[in-house]
Amino acid sequence: SQQGEEDPQALSIQEGENATMNCSYKTSINNLQWYRQNSGRGLVHLILIRSNEREKHSGRLRVTLDTSKKSSSLLITASRAADTASYFCATVLTGANSKLTFGKGITLSVRP
Amino acid sequence: ETGVTQTPRHLVMGMTNKKSLKCEQHLGHNAMYWYKQSAKKPLELMFVYSLEERVENNSVPSRFSPECPNSSHLFLHLHTLQPEDSALYLCASSSRLVRAPLPYNEQFFGPGTRLTVL
Repeated sequence: SQQGEEDPQALSIQEGENATMNCSYKTSINNLQWYRQNSGRGLVHLILIRSNEREKHSGRLRVTLDTSKKSSSLLITASRAADTASYFCATVLTGANSKLTFGKGITLSVRP
Repeated sequence: ETGVTQTPRHLVMGMTNKKSLKCEQHLGHNAMYWYKQSAKKPLELMFVYSLEERVENNSVPSRFSPECPNSSHLFLHLHTLQPEDSALYLCASSSRLVRAPLPYNEQFFGPGTRLTVL
């Protein structure tokens, strides 16, 4: 089973509303990363949050990490139509042989 | 050019063809990756190169053959592919922290090559 699982699988909101996306994982991590992918394009890194951090901000993005619950959330405030994309969480486990493991992603649609 | 570039952007090939995908990074990174993205599946890591040495081969069939001639260039040679190999192939790069495992930094992705195998 995969390490990171996003929830919900799809989200549709009105422009101006906030979008909250969640990610759960199973084993201890070194860090967790969120990426965005526009249709058929490459992934764009959004935020990296380390296991000893609880919250990070970048512009309209806010990421939280709760290691006791093994979960993270990505909040996009005041959403725009241009935020329409797929969003992925990816985890890096602790240990020398770790790799970046992606979830299946969340499809966000922001209606104008 | 800046960032990570990939060519070609689209490729259609028959099962008996031989083709190559090219990736180039202009970020001064020392690690490069190949991923496969199929519909409704998580991104699959295929190969990892660090300092031009292959450090990971994720049980990828031998019909996929990577090559990393230097830290800026990465190739994926394709031979005798199957229709189920049709996917978006993404290249990424990152910098490797001193004395830290490889993926501890963010990765920068190219736009991908959309591959269709007939």
